[in-house]
Amino acid sequence: GAVVSQHPSRVICKSGTSVKIECRSLDFQATTMFWYRQFPKKSLMLMATSNEGSKATYEQGVEKDKFLINHASLTLSTLTVTSAHPEDSSFYICSVSRVGEKLFFGSGTQLSVL
Amino acid sequence: AQTVTQSQPEMSVQEAETVTLSCTYDTSESNYYLFWYKQPPSRQMILVIRQEAYKQQNATENRFSVNFQKAAKSFSLKISDSQLGDTAMYFCAFMRMAGGTSYGKLTFGQGTILTVHP
Repeated sequence: GAVVSQHPSRVICKSGTSVKIECRSLDFQATTMFWYRQFPKKSLMLMATSNEGSKATYEQGVEKDKFLINHASLTLSTLTVTSAHPEDSSFYICSVSRVGEKLFFGSGTQLSVL
Repeated sequence: AQTVTQSQPEMSVQEAETVTLSCTYDTSESNYYLFWYKQPPSRQMILVIRQEAYKQQNATENRFSVNFQKAAKSFSLKISDSQLGDTAMYFCAFMRMAGGTSYGKLTFGQGTILTVHP
């Protein structure tokens, strides 16, 4: 069964609204989760590292105020796209890892901003 | 910083034939992992194969094998007896062999779209 649950799988929203995406680790406690962004037929680009109980670490060029990450528990990280605009439309994927073990990916969320 | 380069945007192969996807990388690290991931139209990321840099032996998984050349920083994927279900986008990825919050952080190549024709 799935190790990582990501919801929603698809969301359509109006420009200016905020959207929250959840990533849950089902089988183990994850102190670290990762958020990636993918444009059609392009590579996955790391956006940020989500750290349980502390602030996320953002990659260069990623707007912290636009993409809010909260990792309030050992099994849940959320990515909130604030004041979404059409250019934020993309496929967002989370991943979870446990040191020395395999990496697990969520099934992704397609965000479409109208 | 690490970089991963896949120079083949698209490849095609006939069913039952063999195809090789190329990947080169650049890093100053001595210990790391390399991966090939498959992303079918469902967009779920599926691990194809993993290689630890300290292992000289090339990893194999059924019809999938790699040619890992550490000195040349090359990591190609060979798919034997190609099947229609192999049609997907394939990503080469790099990960530092480090503990803490760095573990799990992947750097991906640009991807190669592989089409298997009947």
